[in-house]
Amino acid sequence: AQSVSQHNHHVILSEAASLELGCNYSYGGTVNLFWYVQYPGQHLQLLLKYFSGDPLVKGIKGFEAEFIKSKFSFNLRKPSVQWSDTAEYFCAVNDEKKGGKLIFGQGTELSVKP
Amino acid sequence: GAGVSQSPSNKVTEKGKDVELRCDPISGHTALYWYRQSLGQGLEFLIYFQGNSAPDKSGLPSDRFSAERTGGSVSTLTIQRTQQEDSAVYLCASSLLRGRDNYGYTFGSGTRLTVV
Repeated sequence: AQSVSQHNHHVILSEAASLELGCNYSYGGTVNLFWYVQYPGQHLQLLLKYFSGDPLVKGIKGFEAEFIKSKFSFNLRKPSVQWSDTAEYFCAVNDEKKGGKLIFGQGTELSVKP
Repeated sequence: GAGVSQSPSNKVTEKGKDVELRCDPISGHTALYWYRQSLGQGLEFLIYFQGNSAPDKSGLPSDRFSAERTGGSVSTLTIQRTQQEDSAVYLCASSLLRGRDNYGYTFGSGTRLTVV
């Protein structure tokens, strides 16, 4: 069955540190890929998405992600985190043959210390 | 509307009672989804609507759970004979599907269900 794995359950960084959150998926077909963010007390918001084309995708708030097909990965990166990036981050995959259903990873909680 | 609207935002119910959760998606979004988020867990898929039909309801945990969508718009998730393990945040999302491209979900704020 299709699945999404986020390797880090909880990441703690100091401000200005670089961030990389891992995401791997198990499906070998054509997929759409997403990262969502949930700030404390807020609803889930789309950070960035990949359909096709340039595998390096830029999103909001300085985030970017790179799709590496050979590794089934879609890691999220940010060169310098801020305290306001403290949130939970979810990777998601959509099998384009299965309509709009997204499969989500378990999430990674990011805590940024000021 | 401007966003996905869910009601109620909070619901406390007694074990064994039925509850109805409502979702009003973004106008023009043909696809609507229900997910469940439990403490410390990721998002668990429940059911997906395309228009008024549900091509995938594989995530509904038991026959106590049902959902419908009318007029290609509002959806209702019904949980009958609620159990304590049903306590969770129920999230609704809608999306624009164009061909094979899913433009990503817009989520509502969720309904926090507590079964006591």
